[in-house]
Amino acid sequence: GNSVTQMEGPVTLSEEAFLTINCTYTATGYPSLFWYVQYPGEGLQLLLKATKADDKGSNKGFEATYRKETTSFHLEKGSVQVSDSAVYFCALRYTGFQKLVFGTGTRLLVSP
Amino acid sequence: GAVVSQHPSRVICKSGTSVKIECRSLDFQATTMFWYRQFPKQSLMLMATSNEGSKATYEQGVEKDKFLINHASLTLSTLTVTSAHPEDSSFYICSARDPFSQRGGRGNTGELFFGEGSRLTVL
Repeated sequence: GNSVTQMEGPVTLSEEAFLTINCTYTATGYPSLFWYVQYPGEGLQLLLKATKADDKGSNKGFEATYRKETTSFHLEKGSVQVSDSAVYFCALRYTGFQKLVFGTGTRLLVSP
Repeated sequence: GAVVSQHPSRVICKSGTSVKIECRSLDFQATTMFWYRQFPKQSLMLMATSNEGSKATYEQGVEKDKFLINHASLTLSTLTVTSAHPEDSSFYICSARDPFSQRGGRGNTGELFFGEGSRLTVL
C-alpha cells in the first residue's frame, strides 16, 4: 500500500544550523508530495509541495525535491531559527483523490 | 488566510459517555471535510470523509456506529464518539477543503486547511 516514512524525532539543533528531515514514500504511480508544519497550539499548515519528479518545492527558506529514483522528499533548510520549532509532517496524495497519507511527523527543536 | 477551528481543544470524559467535537471552516464554505486520528508517535490516520448533505465515507476498520459524523452545513462538521472507552483516547484532527483555493497540488481539488486538533481523554 501507500505509505510515508519519516525520521524519528525529536531533532534538536542550535540556531543557524543546517536542517534535514528525511522522508521516503512507497507508492504506485506518481503522487503529489507535501510537507506540512504544525506550530504549537495550531493546526497543520501546508509548508511546500511538489507535484512531479524533480520538482522542488520551497517556502520560508525550506526546500524539498521530489526524487522519484530514491522515492524521497527530504526537507532542508540552510539556517534554522528558534521560530522553526514545530512538528513537520511529510505526506502524499494521488491525483484526483482527496486522501492524504501522512508520515508520523518529526518534531524539530531549535535552541538559541 | 482560511481558518479551520475545532472545539473543544481538550476534553476529558468518563467511560460510556458520548463526546462531540466540532469542526468549523471560518471564512470559506467547505463541501468536504476530513477527520483524522493520531496516536502518539504515529501518523495521522484518516477516519472518514464527510461531504455536506450526504453520508460520510469511512475508512476501512473505522466503526461508523461509534464515530458518528455529521456535515449538516457548509461550515460545520461534527464528530461524535459514542460510548467512549479509554482506547478511544486520542488526538482528533479535522481538515476542510477550500474548493476555490488553487494551492492543492496537481489534479487540484482545493487546498486543505487543518484544525488545531482535539485531545480526547477517556477515563
